[in-house]
Amino acid sequence: SQQGEEDPQALSIQEGENATMNCSYKTSINNLQWYRQNSGRGLVHLILIRSNEREKHSGRLRVTLDTSKKSSSLLITASRAADTASYFCATDAWGQNFVFGPGTRLSVLP
Amino acid sequence: DTGVSQDPRHKITKRGQNVTFRCDPISEHNRLYWYRQTLGQGPEFLTYFQNEAQLEKSRLLSDRFSAERPKGSFSTLEIQRTEQGDSAMYLCASSRERRSSGNTIYFGEGSWLTVV
Repeated sequence: SQQGEEDPQALSIQEGENATMNCSYKTSINNLQWYRQNSGRGLVHLILIRSNEREKHSGRLRVTLDTSKKSSSLLITASRAADTASYFCATDAWGQNFVFGPGTRLSVLP
Repeated sequence: DTGVSQDPRHKITKRGQNVTFRCDPISEHNRLYWYRQTLGQGPEFLTYFQNEAQLEKSRLLSDRFSAERPKGSFSTLEIQRTEQGDSAMYLCASSRERRSSGNTIYFGEGSWLTVV
């Protein structure tokens, strides 16, 4: 079964609005990573947050991690049309393979 | 440009034929992963190598699938006697093992397989 599960499955917002995606996982992890995938392309790494971190920022991205709830959130502020993509969380459980969720499909409308 | 390259990018084959995909990871990365992704789904783990050793294989990797990384550099994924259900994008990724800070994995652009 999938370790990570993103929520919602799909999200449509207007340009300039913020987008929040959530990820839940089942077992203890070393770190959690978020990736973006444009249609038909490979995945691009966005941000890594370690299990001992609670929040991390990178440009317009803000990631939180709550290990007690086994959940993470990705916030994209001031969204742009170019942010339209699928977003995946992946969990790393101490050197084992990375497990991806089914993703959130984000549509940013101009 | 992530530095992981995959070839071919697209392959159309007839059912029953064999296909082989190649992946060249980022040069200093000792870990190499293969994933499969179908439309609307997340990547599903197939197998990974640390150097030339294949350390883990998913149950998705039936006996028709074989992966190699003979010299710990590039890797090949071969699918024998292809079936229509094998149609998917096959993604390769690589990482450097950094246990203290975690491994960031970098993906290639994928190889699309269509079995007709």
